[in-house]
Amino acid sequence: KAGVTQTPRYLIKTRGQQVTLSCSPISGHRSVSWYQQTPGQGLQFLFEYFSETQRNKGNFPGRFSGRQFSNSRSEMNVSTLELGDSALYLCASSLRGRTGANVLTFGAGSRLTVL
Amino acid sequence: DAKTTQPTSMDCAEGRAANLPCNHSTISGNEYVYWYRQIHSQGPQYIIHGLKNNETNEMASLIITEDRKSSTLILPHATLRDTAVYYCIVRVVGGTSYGKLTFGQGTILTVHP
Repeated sequence: KAGVTQTPRYLIKTRGQQVTLSCSPISGHRSVSWYQQTPGQGLQFLFEYFSETQRNKGNFPGRFSGRQFSNSRSEMNVSTLELGDSALYLCASSLRGRTGANVLTFGAGSRLTVL
Repeated sequence: DAKTTQPTSMDCAEGRAANLPCNHSTISGNEYVYWYRQIHSQGPQYIIHGLKNNETNEMASLIITEDRKSSTLILPHATLRDTAVYYCIVRVVGGTSYGKLTFGQGTILTVHP
């Protein structure tokens, strides 16, 4: 079956602009999580959505936001871009079952460069 | 989630077993041990997980000590394609943090020809 699909794979923006990234989870997966990866901070959790509701949020400013649609597809938005927002943004999906392990499947990521 | 400690880097010869250690001395009874790896510029990939029994799948084996304060990921016959950053993560299964993983710095495993 198809994996987690993220678009676009690469993009370049300038400071002050805003960006929207898209994530299509594995079919049947209802939980979508977003992570930011930078050389200095490593992999950091941004937020998680389940059934169109944000369930968890990491320690990021309000410029970072997201949403999830009824088909489980998710988008994240970063407004007023700063140089430090340059990063690999990763999306992961999971079944979010009540019991047993909850394995995350990650996409290939969207690499954002802010100039 | 409990904190984990891993060596910064390790080397392994191709075809030999790679044994990656992880310390998680503050692990609590309802926390599982997960291993993910990340090959350069790709998303992390799930490898294996366990609670207290040793586990094996097609990719690797996971050995958890009886007191559960440490574990070892074993890649039985390492190949060049196993060169990656390996992350050991402990987390509660279920609850409210399904999609949240706390990644440390991981171990950079380099497999040499």
